[in-house]
Order: sequence, then C-alpha cells, then structure tokens
Amino acid sequence: QVHLVESGGGVVQPGRSLRLSCAASGFTFSSYAMHWVRQAPGKGLEWVAFISYDGSNKYYADSVKGQFIISRDNSKNTLYVQMNSLRAEDTAVYYCARDEAGDYNGSGKWVYWGQGTLVTVSS
Amino acid sequence: AIQMTQSPSSLSASVGDRVTITCRASQGVRIDLAWYQQTPGKAPKLLIYGASSLQSGVPSRFSGSGSGTDFTLTISSLQPEDFATYYCLQDFIYPFTFGQGTKLEIK
Repeated sequence: QVHLVESGGGVVQPGRSLRLSCAASGFTFSSYAMHWVRQAPGKGLEWVAFISYDGSNKYYADSVKGQFIISRDNSKNTLYVQMNSLRAEDTAVYYCARDEAGDYNGSGKWVYWGQGTLVTVSS
Repeated sequence: AIQMTQSPSSLSASVGDRVTITCRASQGVRIDLAWYQQTPGKAPKLLIYGASSLQSGVPSRFSGSGSGTDFTLTISSLQPEDFATYYCLQDFIYPFTFGQGTKLEIK
C-alpha cells in the first residue's frame, strides 16, 4: 500500500529556512519521480518542484527558483525540499506526489499524494 | 510560463445535471493536460490524464476532451460526491501550471 507522509511544517519567521520531508513506503521509491505541490490557504494549487527517480533531473516553479532545493535520498525512501529565505507568500500546505509516468522528465499524472504539511511564514 | 485559464470559476448545479468545465492554455500543450478534483482538507485526486484518459477507478461519468489550447471536463450526471473544486494542469512543459480552479456547488 503506497503511503506518502510529509513532515517538517510549522511556523517560521520570514527570512528563515525550513526543510520538509516526505517519507515514502509501500513501493520502490527509487523507481519513481516525485513532485512538490503547494496550496496557500483558501487558494488554488501551485506546482513547486520535480525530481527524477535518480535525483539527476530537477525543475522548479519560477516563484521558488533559487530559493527552494528539491532532493531525495533513495536509501532512506525520502523526498525533501529545502526552503530558504522564506516569505509570507510561501505560507501554504505542501504536498508531495508520486509521478506515475515513468518518464525521466516527469508528467502530471499523480495518483498518490501525501496528506500535506502546513508551513506558516509569520513573525 | 504557460497560463491556464478555467471557466467558470464557480458553478452551481443540481444532482443529475450535466456540467462542463473549460480550460484554456495560453499556448498549445498538445494533449498534455490532466484534471484533478479536490474536496476541502484533502489532497487532490487525479481524474483525467492525457486530456481524455480516465484514471483507473474514476467513474465513467467523468470525461475529458480537447487538444492544443482548449480542453473540457464533463460530468455527465452529477452525483452528491462530485461537489468539489476542479483543476486543470498542463504537463507539456516546465514549469507545470494549474488553472485557478472551478468550484462546483450544489444549487
């Protein structure tokens, strides 16, 4: 049974950093590309970042490029996003999602999602 | 980045109604488009990928069509569990981009 569990969210001051984790179980994590998607309170969905199954290919939303770093540790079955210089507009629920396409460049076919972790950027 | 525009932003309908939601891309995305359904407090659920391919387990009352810049999601006969917010997503090119969402409410 596929499980994705995000953690690491919380309240953080503007300008500080935070690292989110997404623990995967129930499947061969190293065979799947992964994504981060976020949703600000009361707002729509925003794709954030992609990482290929082996970690060698990464893409970012323009809004987080140079600020966020996606990574993965296949030995620990865990996906990460390092979020630096956080701003109020980064306040959101952050979801990880598994890419089903099996393509090196990823796809928008995401069947399995975590439950989300809330990041609140506030002084 | 490709901009995705959904219409309408909100829609009131009754159980049994047929509804159509439209998504327009600011440039062609071939058939690289997915539709997601989200209910409050839950993660999104994949309904359609490749513009018209129904995800396994999704009821057949959901269908998608379109290519290039214009896409539609149709629900043939609304059920109570279909009242939710719907998003299109282009996965043609990075950065992937979602539409702003269509909130489907009970009339």
